[in-house]
Amino acid sequence: DQQVKQNSPSLSVQEGRISILNCDYTNSMFDYFLWYKKYPAEGPTFLISISSIKDKNEDGRFTVFLNKSAKHLSLHIVPSQPGDSAVYFCAASAQESNFGNEKLTFGTGTRLTIIP
Amino acid sequence: DGGITQSPKYLFRKEGQNVTLSCEQNLNHDAMYWYRQDPGQGLRLIYYSQIVNDFQKGDIAEGYSVSREKKESFPLTVTSAQKNPTAFYLCASSIDLLRGSSSYNYGYTFGSGTRLTVV
Repeated sequence: DQQVKQNSPSLSVQEGRISILNCDYTNSMFDYFLWYKKYPAEGPTFLISISSIKDKNEDGRFTVFLNKSAKHLSLHIVPSQPGDSAVYFCAASAQESNFGNEKLTFGTGTRLTIIP
Repeated sequence: DGGITQSPKYLFRKEGQNVTLSCEQNLNHDAMYWYRQDPGQGLRLIYYSQIVNDFQKGDIAEGYSVSREKKESFPLTVTSAQKNPTAFYLCASSIDLLRGSSSYNYGYTFGSGTRLTVV
């Protein structure tokens, strides 16, 4: 039962254009969402996050949009650069208690290739 | 520099052998996690620990075991009961955050991974 889905396994975008990566979730209890970037043979690194009390969060070239009614979020990268070529994972968490950590549920990832 | 270290980077195991993957962090993080990455499957949670001497099974714990005797260390043993152990294994850690802050940041710090191959 895949609670976080990234339906596009790969995406190719011309350098300088906008990259849009999509993520859908099924668990309505998820209230915090994150994007991670992963290069081959390395661990993922945190990119950007958004709480369910917001519908947009921006950090430089990266913007995450959240549509709670559609249970959908997207990551926009603009302008896209060759160094952005990597696998991007969407992740979500649900508040299980007022204290402590929550587990992250990850999507299957989207491989982004930026074409020079 | 603080970080999370996984070793070895590559590991080969014969059929029927147990192997232990090391994960050490000096970030003073409370929680630690083990994930497995397979092509097309994303990251799947094996085990996690929120505090020393305590750990919980994740989604795919069968054939694996862990221990958390020290805050800094969370080794994963892949036992002979794991039928398909060839994969890329990722260890992660996170701080224990008090929810409720409107501006809290949250995320895992990952190690660089161990690629395990059964030969």
